[in-house]
Amino acid sequence: DAGVIQSPRHEVTEMGQEVTLRCKPISGHDYLFWYRQTMMRGLELLIYFNNNVPIDDSGMPEDRFSAKMPNASFSTLKIQPSEPRDSAVYFCASSLLFGTGGRYEQYFGPGTRLTVT
Amino acid sequence: GQQVMQIPQYQHVQEGEDFTTYCNSSTTLSNIQWYKQRPGGHPVFLIQLVKSGEVKKQKRLTFQFGEAKKNSSLHITATQTTDVGTYFCAGLPDSNYQLIWGAGTKLIIKP
Repeated sequence: DAGVIQSPRHEVTEMGQEVTLRCKPISGHDYLFWYRQTMMRGLELLIYFNNNVPIDDSGMPEDRFSAKMPNASFSTLKIQPSEPRDSAVYFCASSLLFGTGGRYEQYFGPGTRLTVT
Repeated sequence: GQQVMQIPQYQHVQEGEDFTTYCNSSTTLSNIQWYKQRPGGHPVFLIQLVKSGEVKKQKRLTFQFGEAKKNSSLHITATQTTDVGTYFCAGLPDSNYQLIWGAGTKLIIKP
């Protein structure tokens, strides 16, 4: 199993540009999560999906952020327009509700380090 | 809202000393999970505790879940340089399937 795949691994963009982050969850997992991590705010849940349906997007900071999951093997997080305060590491994670032995652990991707100048 | 408080934020130890981090939830949890994030890496699942009063060990790591299923701790005996990183607890409330994350405790080994 390749694990959760995220692309790109690093993104540097100028303020005002659109940024799209991509995630491929582990095959068969029915939950997908988008997190943001900064030194100041720690690990924040932005949004999560169950069976491709957004369940809770209350963590999305503002309307500039949007996320989609068109199918079970792909999700995107888009920031438009980007701002310097969006600079962070963005993680995608997936999990299986009824995993082995009733475990619900989340498997994280390597993250995308976003820098907005 | 539901919260999981984790302390301390940082802990500096000499190699060989013990390390402990504590988590306290504002609500009863159906389970609590622990993750480790190495510097520059991503959180990696360590263990899940489900039962009231449960204690689990992984080599030098001891995990406990409180009797009321609202608090938990991770204790590392005789720290090594490979233990460096940030340790997160994450609780799953009874009421839903969304993990509530602690802020993490960063373990730093003094040179």
